[in-house]
Amino acid sequence: DVKVTQSSRYLVKRTGEKVFLECVQDMDHENMFWYRQDPGLGLRLIYFSYDVKMKEKGDIPEGYSVSREKKERFSLILESASTNQTSMYLCASSGQDEQFFGPGTRLTVL
Amino acid sequence: AQRVTQPEKLLSVFKGAPVELKCNYSYSGSPELFWYVQYSRQRLQLLLRHISRESIKGFTADLNKGETSFHLKKPFAQEEDSAMYYCALRIDSWGKLQFGAGTQVVVTP
Repeated sequence: DVKVTQSSRYLVKRTGEKVFLECVQDMDHENMFWYRQDPGLGLRLIYFSYDVKMKEKGDIPEGYSVSREKKERFSLILESASTNQTSMYLCASSGQDEQFFGPGTRLTVL
Repeated sequence: AQRVTQPEKLLSVFKGAPVELKCNYSYSGSPELFWYVQYSRQRLQLLLRHISRESIKGFTADLNKGETSFHLKKPFAQEEDSAMYYCALRIDSWGKLQFGAGTQVVVTP
C-alpha cells in the first residue's frame, strides 16, 4: 500500500520560530512536492524536488526553504514563522503520473 | 500562463439528483487533466484522469478541447459523494500540477 507520511497532524508555533515539516514516502518516487491548502485558493505549490539534493521553486516559495538529503524524505522549513503561514500543508510524491498525498499538517502560527 | 478555474465554491444537491462540477483550463500545450477528491478527514486522492476515460464511483469527465473544459459528472449523487473536489492540470514533464480552487459538494438526503 502506497504511503506518504507527515511528521505531525497539528502544530502550533510562535511568530519568529523556525519550523520543520517532515515528509516521508516509501514508494521510491523521484518527485516530491510541498503544497499549502487554503480555502478558496486550492492547493498552491511551494517547492518541488525531482531528485536528491535537487529542488525547484513553486508558485509561493517566499518564506520557505526545503531539504532533500535522502530520496524518501522531503522537509519543508519555515525560517521565521509568520501568522500568514498559518495553513494546511500537504506533501505529495509521484512517479510518472499520479500524485500521492500525505495526511497533511495543520500549522497555526500565533 | 496555465490556469485552472472551478467557478463553484459550493455545490449543494439532493441525493439521487445529477451533479456536475465545472472545470475550465487554459494551457498552450496538449493538456493532461485530473480530478482529485478529499473526503472528510481523509487525504487527497486521485479520482480520475482524462487519459484513462474511465468511470470511477459513477463519475465521468470528458475533456473538451474546444471549450477547454473538463467537467465532472455523476447522474445520481449519493451522500458519500460529499467531499471537496479539485480539478488539476499537469503543467510539465516532471508531473507538476496546477490545481483549481476546489468545489465543496454537499449531498443532502
